[in-house]
Amino acid sequence: GNSVTQMEGPVTLSEEAFLTINCTYTATGYPSLFWYVQYPGEGLQLLLKATKADDKGSNKGFEATYRKETTSFHLEKGSVQVSDSAVYFCALQGGSEKLVFGKGTKLTVNP
Amino acid sequence: GAGVSQTPSNKVTEKGKYVELRCDPISGHTALYWYRQSLGQGPEFLIYFQGTGAADDSGLPNDRFFAVRPEGSVSTLKIQRTERGDSAVYLCASSLGGGDTDTQYFGPGTRLTVL
Repeated sequence: GNSVTQMEGPVTLSEEAFLTINCTYTATGYPSLFWYVQYPGEGLQLLLKATKADDKGSNKGFEATYRKETTSFHLEKGSVQVSDSAVYFCALQGGSEKLVFGKGTKLTVNP
Repeated sequence: GAGVSQTPSNKVTEKGKYVELRCDPISGHTALYWYRQSLGQGPEFLIYFQGTGAADDSGLPNDRFFAVRPEGSVSTLKIQRTERGDSAVYLCASSLGGGDTDTQYFGPGTRLTVL
């Protein structure tokens, strides 16, 4: 069945550092891929998505590229801010409407 | 506009009791989803409605769990004979029409604690 494996946290960075959170997936066919973010005390929000191979999703300075050859969708940001502190979830949707999530990666950014 | 809302935000119950969790989707969204998020885990799919009907209930863990959406808008997740292992955050999401490119918008969740 479909599954998502993402980098385990927690991840702690200083402000303005470069961020990468790895995500790989297993799926039949061509799933859509997502990054969701959960800020402290808030609900899950869609951060970015890509629906086909080589697509790049981007939002709020974050980027992720759908790599079919490596079945990956790594999240990157060039310069993180304290306000980026949150839990990040990689997810896929393929063959049905349900989302399949990874376990989440907690990011803490220190001033 | 209003997002997905869920009530109650917190529910504490005793083992063996019955609970109902409510979800109000975004107005006009025909698709509605329930997920369950245990501590330290990602959300896990429970059930998906398209309109009034359950299009996919493959994620419901057993027959103690049941969900309805009688008028194609508000949905209620019902859990009978609750067990301590049911403790989790129950998330509801809605999307415009369903389909694998539709964005799902999540509510804040209901934290269920079974003592």
